[in-house]
Amino acid sequence: GAVVSQHPSRVICKSGTSVKIECRSLDFQATTMFWYRQFPKQSLMLMATSNEGSKATYEQGVEKDKFLINHASLTLSTLTVTSAHPEDSSFYICSATGTSGGFSYEQYFGPGTRLTVT
Amino acid sequence: GQNIDQPTEMTATEGAIVQINCTYQTSGFNGLFWYQQHAGEAPTFLSYNVLDGLEEKGRFSSFLSRSKGYSYLLLKELQMKDSASYLCAVLNSNYQLIWGAGTKLIIKP
Repeated sequence: GAVVSQHPSRVICKSGTSVKIECRSLDFQATTMFWYRQFPKQSLMLMATSNEGSKATYEQGVEKDKFLINHASLTLSTLTVTSAHPEDSSFYICSATGTSGGFSYEQYFGPGTRLTVT
Repeated sequence: GQNIDQPTEMTATEGAIVQINCTYQTSGFNGLFWYQQHAGEAPTFLSYNVLDGLEEKGRFSSFLSRSKGYSYLLLKELQMKDSASYLCAVLNSNYQLIWGAGTKLIIKP
């Protein structure tokens, strides 16, 4: 149980275009979802936290107009990178907590999305 | 501020034992997690400690001392597949997960 999927797993896009990444909890209701970014050889950096049906809370330094997060249902959250630039190239990972039966506040991670902006 | 400290990199030999330390200073404490992350993959859950003491799970054990703000992850009978980064994360009083930078573990034959 407690499976989180992410789509796509890899995406290459041109500079200036937008990219949408989907994160789904497959077998539980994700009351809270988290979006992380990870650059090579660095740790996870939390970008934002979203609760179903409400606006996401962004971490300091993360542009909310550039990284649009929509948590429309208890099983789906999307991250849209708008007007992507090469410096946005990174590994984006979502995680979720919810009614999974695991430890309280244990985060279940999706497999990640490798974004390359050319 | 809040911070989690763990060594950047460690090297160990296949079949041996290795201990990865983590010290933390956070605003409150609601538990400590250890995750394993292979290169290019998402983290996977290893352990959760909220009370002092040792939690054993197969070849992996995790220890917590809340008074010292200290935890360690102990890996026994190391296998080549254990080569990965190990992330320490603390749940603070606001139930935010504060992440360490991770320890890259290199296993040599």
